[in-house]
Amino acid sequence: AQKITQTQPGMFVQEKEAVTLDCTYDTSDPSYGLFWYKQPSSGEMIFLIYQGSYDQQNATEGRYSLNFQKARKSANLVISASQLGDSAMYFCAMREPNYGGSQGNLIFGKGTKLSVKP
Amino acid sequence: NAGVTQTPKFRVLKTGQSMTLLCAQDMNHEYMYWYRQDPGMGLRLIHYSVGEGTTAKGEVPDGYNVSRLKKQNFLLGLESAAPSQTSVYFCASSYSPPGRGSLWGYTFGSGTRLTVV
Repeated sequence: AQKITQTQPGMFVQEKEAVTLDCTYDTSDPSYGLFWYKQPSSGEMIFLIYQGSYDQQNATEGRYSLNFQKARKSANLVISASQLGDSAMYFCAMREPNYGGSQGNLIFGKGTKLSVKP
Repeated sequence: NAGVTQTPKFRVLKTGQSMTLLCAQDMNHEYMYWYRQDPGMGLRLIHYSVGEGTTAKGEVPDGYNVSRLKKQNFLLGLESAAPSQTSVYFCASSYSPPGRGSLWGYTFGSGTRLTVV
C-alpha cells in the first residue's frame, strides 16, 4: 500500500534560518507526484510545491525547494530564510496516476508543525 | 472567486442528529473528494467521486454517505452523528485526466469544523 511518512511532529527554527522538513514515501508505481501543502492556523490548505517522479531537477518555488532523492524515496521540503509567517502545519502528499486501477487520490502524511522563533 | 466552496463553516450536532455538508466547485473539475482531518492523523479520505453520478469509498467511509448528482456539487451526509465524527472536514477537487505538473494536485475548500456532542 502507498504510504507517506513525516517523522517530525514538530520543529522549531530561528527566523531567517533555513529548515528542512522530512518526508518519505512508499509506492511501487514508477509514475507519481509529490506535493507539499501548508496549513496556517486559519485552517486553509495552501499548495506550495510539486515534484513529478520523472522530473530531472528538484522543484523550486521562491523560498521553497524540494530535495528529491528518488532512490531513497524521500521528498524533503527546504524553506530558506524562514519568516514568522511560515509558522504552520506542513503536509507532504503523494498522488499516483489515475490509470490501471488507481484513482489518483492524494494520500497525506500526518504533518509537521513548524514554529518560527523571532 | 473561482474555487471550492464548503458550507457550513461550523456546526454543532447532537449525537444521533443528521446533517449534510455541501461542496461546490466552479472549475469544471471531474474529481471531487471529502477528507477529514484529526489531530495527529493528517488528512484521511472519506469518499471521492470521479465524475457526475459516481462515488467511491476512501480510507474511512463508515458512518458517511455521499452523492454527486451534479458535476459541480459533492455532498457528504451524516445520517446519525457520533462524537467520533467530530473533526474538520475538507472538500477538494482536481482535474482529470491529470493536468500538467502541479495541476495534478487538489484545490481545497476552507473546511467545515464539526462538533458532535
